[in-house]
Amino acid sequence: SQQGEEDPQALSIQEGENATMNCSYKTSINNLQWYRQNSGRGLVHLILIRSNEREKHSGRLRVTLDTSKKSSSLLITASRAADTASYFCATDPSGSARQLTFGSGTQLTVLP
Amino acid sequence: DVKVTQSSRYLVKRTGEKVFLECVQDMDHENMFWYRQDPGLGLRLIYFSYDVKMKEKGDIPEGYSVSREKKERFSLILESASTNQTSMYLCASSFSVRNQPQHFGDGTRLSIL
Repeated sequence: SQQGEEDPQALSIQEGENATMNCSYKTSINNLQWYRQNSGRGLVHLILIRSNEREKHSGRLRVTLDTSKKSSSLLITASRAADTASYFCATDPSGSARQLTFGSGTQLTVLP
Repeated sequence: DVKVTQSSRYLVKRTGEKVFLECVQDMDHENMFWYRQDPGLGLRLIYFSYDVKMKEKGDIPEGYSVSREKKERFSLILESASTNQTSMYLCASSFSVRNQPQHFGDGTRLSIL
């Protein structure tokens, strides 16, 4: 079942602008992860934020987590054309480390 | 770096054929997963395995089976392929501890004619 829902479904921005994608989920989670998928390829893990963390940074990526609102956001700063991809959030609801539940993704297009 | 290798990037088969999709990982991961990805539906879990010879059904196991005879290899089997199984198939693996990411292969785009 799909727990995470990304918003917007599609986003188009100019190179150099910031891109923000949001994810909402329904049940309690152990952690929330963001993945990126280039067209026709597999998913690549970007960042993991635990349920007791509120913000995490990795290079040009900033992830926030609000467990009271059951939502997360991914911010990509100073975007580049190479950031064009689909971005997915995934939650680990059971804490069993055995399954992730993925959202349907945000398609980001960065125009040069 | 973790490497998850899927045997084929593209595969074309006929209705009724038995189809094998192979996945190998080189990081000694306990968990392995098979997903299918369709436009507008995101990733849906078909089966996963948390140990050799162990398997558990995911959200959409109907029409599929799996085999895990060795820790590094996880096979997805379409017993009698049908056109509604045309899809992108993704294999992933992970350690069986909390707060670990999944590592994905490049996918197999399977077309059933």
